[in-house]
Amino acid sequence: QSALTQPASVSGSPGQSITISCTGTSSDVGAYNYVSWHQQHPDKAPKLMIYDVSNRPSGVSNRFSGSKSGNTASLTISGLQPEDEADYYCSSHAGTTTLFGGGTKLTVL
Amino acid sequence: EVQLVESGGGLVKPGGSLRLSCAASGFTLNNAWMHWVRQAPGKGLEWVGRIKSKANGGTADYAAPVKGRFTISRDDSTNTLFLQMSSLQTEDTAVYYCHGDVGWGQGTLVTVSS
Repeated sequence: QSALTQPASVSGSPGQSITISCTGTSSDVGAYNYVSWHQQHPDKAPKLMIYDVSNRPSGVSNRFSGSKSGNTASLTISGLQPEDEADYYCSSHAGTTTLFGGGTKLTVL
Repeated sequence: EVQLVESGGGLVKPGGSLRLSCAASGFTLNNAWMHWVRQAPGKGLEWVGRIKSKANGGTADYAAPVKGRFTISRDDSTNTLFLQMSSLQTEDTAVYYCHGDVGWGQGTLVTVSS
């Protein structure tokens, strides 16, 4: 199975909203409501931002939201802040495996 | 507070073995589906394998590159997750993380080199 498809980079200005897409297939993203989003700052461990498509773990800002339509999941960050600049990865349950996206570098201009 | 703490990484020669541990606190490990994920230097996240919760049978699945060489297990008495790695190759060099819906550990570096 191939990795999930994410844009290599996105950018936005402080205060703006951005959306990162994560495209899979009917065997992974489209088949299960088990999509997660992970934030990773340079040389740091990833941090879970969204699980089960749209659930936020305790402590994660409500500026982060997740959704899914068909085979594509999306992460939206509203009210962009400088500290949101990081790499973002999606992952999805895919039956006997789990797939990750290639990652999206978010630049806050 | 939920915490995941990995340990056991280090330098190992090609063909060697290593066992990684992930000590969990703040939740019961066997109630969760837990994953091992790795990240090679300068690369993205790569799924290694997972173990299902006890309620879902507790079985493990693996990514193709590690199947037959890596084994995931769990010790309920110590609330610890393990990744037993054997026949290690240079391509296995990476930071290894344990991860679940509760979050991520800080990672442990495995370097396979002669």
